[in-house]
Amino acid sequence: DAGVTQSPTHLIKTRGQQVTLRCSPKSGHDTVSWYQQALGQGPQFIFQYYEEEERQRGNFPDRFSGHQFPNYSSELNVNALLLGDSALYLCASSYTLETDTQYFGPGTRLTVL
Amino acid sequence: AQKVTQAQTEISVVEKEDVTLDCVYETRDTTYYLFWYKQPPSGELVFLIRRNSFDEQNEISGRYSWNFQKSTSSFNFTITASQVVDSAVYFCALSESFYNQGGKLIFGQGTELSVKP
Repeated sequence: DAGVTQSPTHLIKTRGQQVTLRCSPKSGHDTVSWYQQALGQGPQFIFQYYEEEERQRGNFPDRFSGHQFPNYSSELNVNALLLGDSALYLCASSYTLETDTQYFGPGTRLTVL
Repeated sequence: AQKVTQAQTEISVVEKEDVTLDCVYETRDTTYYLFWYKQPPSGELVFLIRRNSFDEQNEISGRYSWNFQKSTSSFNFTITASQVVDSAVYFCALSESFYNQGGKLIFGQGTELSVKP
C-alpha cells in the first residue's frame, strides 16, 4: 500500500521565480492538505483540497495556489518566490472531510536564493 | 483561538530513561481532536496517535503512553525505557470539528528529543 508521495525531493529557485510541487495521496484518500515548515518551527497550514476545490485556507498570500485533479493528486504553486518561502513543504492526505487522521509525505525542500 | 503549546524545546536523556513530552492546547470548540506526530531527521511526519475530545481514556502502545486531561487542557506523551531510535522532533497537534471548519492541523513548536547511548 503506497503512502503519500511528493516530488521533487529538493528544489532550488531564485527570487521572483515560480515553482510547482506535486503530491499523490495515500491509496483510498480523497482529501489533500498542504503545510509549510520553516526550519525549527512546527508545520503551518496552507490549504486543503477536496473534490477538486479549495475547502479551507490558512494565512498565506495569494501567491500560494493549488489544484486537485480527478485522481485526487494535488499541486502547490508558488509565484514570485521570496527568500522567506524557503522551507519544507509537506503534503498530507486523509479520507473525507471528517477530521480524520492526516498522513504525511516525505516533503519537498525548497531553497530560494 | 486555537493554539498548541509545547513548552519544552529540547530534552536530552540517556538510554533507558523515561521521558514525558508536554502538550497544552487551547480551543473553544467542544469537539476536537488531538494528535502526536514524530519527525525523524529524514523529515517525514509519522503519525503516532489520534484522540477525540470525548475519549479521556489513557492509551498505551508498547513503550509509548498518552495522558489526556481535559481539566488541564493537556495531552502529554511518555516514552518508557527510551532508546536511541526515539531521537526525533515530536509534534503535538489540534484539529477542530468538521462543523467548525475543522480539518486543518494546528501544530505546536515541537520538542526535540535526544536519546544518548
